[in-house]
Amino acid sequence: SQTIHQWPATLVQPVGSPLSLECTVEGTSNPNLYWYRQAAGRGLQLLFYSVGIGQISSEVPQNLSASRPQDRQFILSSKKLLLSDSGFYLCAWSASLYGYTFGSGTRLTVV
Amino acid sequence: KNQVEQSPQSLIILEGKNCTLQCNYTVSPFSNLRWYKQDTGRGPVSLTIMTFSENTKSNGRYTATLDADTKQSSLHITASQLSDSASYICVVSPEGRNNNDMRFGAGTRLTVKP
Repeated sequence: SQTIHQWPATLVQPVGSPLSLECTVEGTSNPNLYWYRQAAGRGLQLLFYSVGIGQISSEVPQNLSASRPQDRQFILSSKKLLLSDSGFYLCAWSASLYGYTFGSGTRLTVV
Repeated sequence: KNQVEQSPQSLIILEGKNCTLQCNYTVSPFSNLRWYKQDTGRGPVSLTIMTFSENTKSNGRYTATLDADTKQSSLHITASQLSDSASYICVVSPEGRNNNDMRFGAGTRLTVKP
């Protein structure tokens, strides 16, 4: 069966520090991968999606970047975090129009 | 304006009671509509998915309905349990688009009290 792993679960980082959140998928190949951010009381906002290795599409201009170095690995990064980067980040994968699975999320607090 | 509106924003019910959550959307044409349950601090978990041609879909005590004419969906929870306390998110996918174009509602925060 397919599983998605996202870590860390929580992270507290100082302003100006780098960021690396990792997401991996098991049990499938060539999945579509996504990074979302969820603000309190708001719907999920799509940040990046990838349809293959090295293929990244950015939905919202921001202080973040994404990379897909391997088929089932998706990384969310920042060189210098801002206070506004605080939030709940979710990784997700899909292999069809109907199947869509989220990771457990990372709570990022920038202080 | 968000294309997926959910109501109420929050709801408190007593354990054992039923409740209904609403989702109105303007996405058209649409491919499918999904309901997710999200526990606090966790990722959303799929409850139901319906295509435009389906009217109802059940998953245990959860029943989702869809009226494509009025562009409304509801999620009915029967005999609520404390573990039903969570946010419930409605997601609509436009027709012919990839999953990267899904439209998310802001969710309804349900609290079930003993």
